[in-house]
Amino acid sequence: DIQMTQSPSSLSASVGDRVTITCRASQSISSYLNWYQQKPGKAPKLLIYAASSLQSGVPSRFSGSGSGTDFTLTISSLQPEDFATYYCQQSYSTLGITFGPGTKVDIK
Amino acid sequence: QVQLVESGGGLVKPGGSLRLSCAASGFTFSDYYMSWIRQAPGKGLEWVSYISSSSSYTNYADSVKGRFTISRDNAKNSLYLQMNSLRAEDTAVYYCARASDYCSGGSCYDYFDYWGQGTLVTVSS
Repeated sequence: DIQMTQSPSSLSASVGDRVTITCRASQSISSYLNWYQQKPGKAPKLLIYAASSLQSGVPSRFSGSGSGTDFTLTISSLQPEDFATYYCQQSYSTLGITFGPGTKVDIK
Repeated sequence: QVQLVESGGGLVKPGGSLRLSCAASGFTFSDYYMSWIRQAPGKGLEWVSYISSSSSYTNYADSVKGRFTISRDNAKNSLYLQMNSLRAEDTAVYYCARASDYCSGGSCYDYFDYWGQGTLVTVSS
């Protein structure tokens, strides 16, 4: 299986901050990388697909970049509703879809 | 609007069985691959299983292979997960999710664009 790692595992930030989360794959996955946001007690929500495509209805302050093994999710100006856990997920190998361990973003 | 509603979770003893259901509405169910994804309490997301639109293709995580069976009934707009030989480590919230794809430059990129609210499965004696 393709292993996914994320850094940091958690971060504290203030409203208005620029936040960057990194995801790394154990082998090249081209642009087969998605990002999800999950709030406590809720189902995950798709933010970014194919590494950099913004899902319909998702605010433009969210952006994704990267290709190969290294990917980034950026929140340009953190809003109160953005405090959540963020997961990356590879879809390169449908034989074994894998998620990253998550990055928790909380209030500084 | 797209809705996915899971049911069938509950408390079961180790070695027992449970069948989860997911009722879909608001889209043409038979056009989409579907998946089950789980989340153990306080842990991250783990993909469990995948089924093609016509049921011709299924796939499972190694952790459930041989114990879980995914199926669907397109006439009933429903997805199922039959779970046998349950273990304590199967305790989790189970989500059903719709798989969509985006095709560009000869490649198609899959992603889970809609998720249900989840159903809790607890395996304990």
